[in-house]
Amino acid sequence: DAGVIQSPRHEVTEMGQEVTLRCKPISGHDYLFWYRQTMMRGLELLIYFNNNVPIDDSGMPEDRFSAKMPNASFSTLKIQPSEPRDSAVYFCASSLADGATNEKLFFGSGTQLSVL
Amino acid sequence: QKEVEQNSGPLSVPEGAIASLNCTYSDRGSQSFFWYRQYSGKSPELIMSIYSNGDKEDGRFTAQLNKASQYVSLLIRDSQPSDSATYLCAVNRFSGGYNKLIFGAGTRLAVHP
Repeated sequence: DAGVIQSPRHEVTEMGQEVTLRCKPISGHDYLFWYRQTMMRGLELLIYFNNNVPIDDSGMPEDRFSAKMPNASFSTLKIQPSEPRDSAVYFCASSLADGATNEKLFFGSGTQLSVL
Repeated sequence: QKEVEQNSGPLSVPEGAIASLNCTYSDRGSQSFFWYRQYSGKSPELIMSIYSNGDKEDGRFTAQLNKASQYVSLLIRDSQPSDSATYLCAVNRFSGGYNKLIFGAGTRLAVHP
């Protein structure tokens, strides 16, 4: 298996533009997570899905952020409109379980987002 | 108070020494504890998990857990330059009927030859 695949690896955009980040989880993993990492705030959980259903979206910063998982092999995280404070590395991860018990998270390579 | 706290470092140790990384957490209900390693520019990867009080050893790594003190640590024996990375402590939080993993901000370790 190729692991968790994220695209794009880097995204540079201007404030106000829409940004869409994409993720393909490992086949057979029922859980998918979106994390954001910054120097100031560390690695924050934004949202996670179980069997394509959002379970916890309490970490989504505000209405400008939305995430979807239309099927077991694809998820998107959208920011509209983007702001400079959204600049961060966004990681997608997948797991056989919730990652907080006895199954590890497998992280993708991340998307480095820069909003100018 | 942050839910999972770590000293940001950098923690600098000479090659061959023992590196000691510490983490405290605020939720007394937490039951699962993890250490992830993240090389610069890379994604986190799990290196240790621990669920019971005491020590758990895996090669050069030892995780220690003290639930009464709400304290988790990671010891790296015979530190190598290849161990230079940021080490993230992660703890489960169970609320609303489901679990989630909360990460600390990480401690940067630098092992110098």
